[in-house]
Amino acid sequence: DAGVIQSPRHEVTEMGQEVTLRCKPISGHDYLFWYRQTMMRGLELLIYFNNNVPIDDSGMPEDRFSAKMPNASFSTLKIQPSEPRDSAVYFCASSLNRDPNEKLFFGSGTQLSVL
Amino acid sequence: GESVGLHLPTLSVQEGDNSIINCAYSNSASDYFIWYKQESGKGPQFIIDIRSNMDKRQGQRVTVLLNKTVKHLSLQIAATQPGDSAVYFCAENILDTGFQKLVFGTGTRLLVSP
Repeated sequence: DAGVIQSPRHEVTEMGQEVTLRCKPISGHDYLFWYRQTMMRGLELLIYFNNNVPIDDSGMPEDRFSAKMPNASFSTLKIQPSEPRDSAVYFCASSLNRDPNEKLFFGSGTQLSVL
Repeated sequence: GESVGLHLPTLSVQEGDNSIINCAYSNSASDYFIWYKQESGKGPQFIIDIRSNMDKRQGQRVTVLLNKTVKHLSLQIAATQPGDSAVYFCAENILDTGFQKLVFGTGTRLLVSP
């Protein structure tokens, strides 16, 4: 398996622009998580999905952030409009189920810079 | 842009030395702990985990120790290699809740000199 795949790897945009980050979870995984990583706050959970349904979006910082999972193999995280303080590395992760013997697998992340 | 944030604590060791990375966790209800390794430009990668009914678990070159009394976790890496250079995170969780309750520590940077 190729693991969790994220695109783009790097995104540089100007303040006010819309940004869309993409994620393909590991095939067969029921859970998908979006995290943000900054030096100030470390790794923060933004939102997670179970079987394509958003379960908890309490970590989404503002209404400018939205996430969708139209099918089991694809999810997007959108920021509109983007602001410089959104600059961070955004990770997508997936897990098979809630079985504690399963592991959480992370993608390589999208480095977002908002100028 | 972002304001200046915390600097990661750094552990510098020589190749072949043993490394010990420490972590304090916050929730006394946590019963499952994971160590992740994050190399530059990559996402966190699972290293080893331990449940609260254990105080020690060994893997290949790594050992995790858990002290529930003082809420302390440590990762020991034997015969550290340059490829071990990375940021190491501990994470705490409550087993029945799934990964959505996983809380990550701030991380420690390990630098291994040849």
